[in-house]
Amino acid sequence: DQQVKQNSPSLSVQEGRISILNCDYTNSMFDYFLWYKKYPAEGPTFLISISSIKDKNEDGRFTVFLNKSAKHLSLHIVPSQPGDSAVYFCAARGNRDDKIIFGKGTRLHILP
Amino acid sequence: NAGVMQNPRHLVRRRGQEARLRCSPMKGHSHVYWYRQLPEEGLKFMVYLQKENIIDESGMPKERFSAEFPKEGPSILRIQQVVRGDSAAYFCASSHSGTSGTEQFFGPGTRLTVL
Repeated sequence: DQQVKQNSPSLSVQEGRISILNCDYTNSMFDYFLWYKKYPAEGPTFLISISSIKDKNEDGRFTVFLNKSAKHLSLHIVPSQPGDSAVYFCAARGNRDDKIIFGKGTRLHILP
Repeated sequence: NAGVMQNPRHLVRRRGQEARLRCSPMKGHSHVYWYRQLPEEGLKFMVYLQKENIIDESGMPKERFSAEFPKEGPSILRIQQVVRGDSAAYFCASSHSGTSGTEQFFGPGTRLTVL
């Protein structure tokens, strides 16, 4: 039962353009959402997060948008850079919950 | 300030052998989490430990798997009598507290291959 869904296994974006990665969730008890970036042979690295009481959080080139009514969030990267090529995991936690629930990931390719 | 350390990075075992995976959390962190990533899948939670206590093991298989985080030394994830289906990347994460907004920092993972 996939509680966090990333329906696009891969995405290719031209360098300098905007990358938009999407994520849907089913559990309305989630109250904290995270994006992780992962390079091959490394562990996931925290990128950005958003609390359920907000609808937007921005950090440099990275912005996360949350639409609670649609149970949807997205990560925007602008401008996209070659070093952004990686697998991006959407993840969620419930209030007072210890575990993080991960999606299956989206592999982002930044094209020169 | 060293990050989360895991060893070995790669582990090969034959079916029926035991696998021991070690995790040293970041300095100052007393909360450890283990996750497993099967090929083409996301990371799946296995167990959450604090020093000398298992807090949540809801993601642990009921048999053959165990975890500990002793007062001294690293956290250990132990898999007895490994089977081919145990082949995966096992990631450890640590945090300084267990509350919802606290970031978990991940180690580089141990890639277990069962022959």
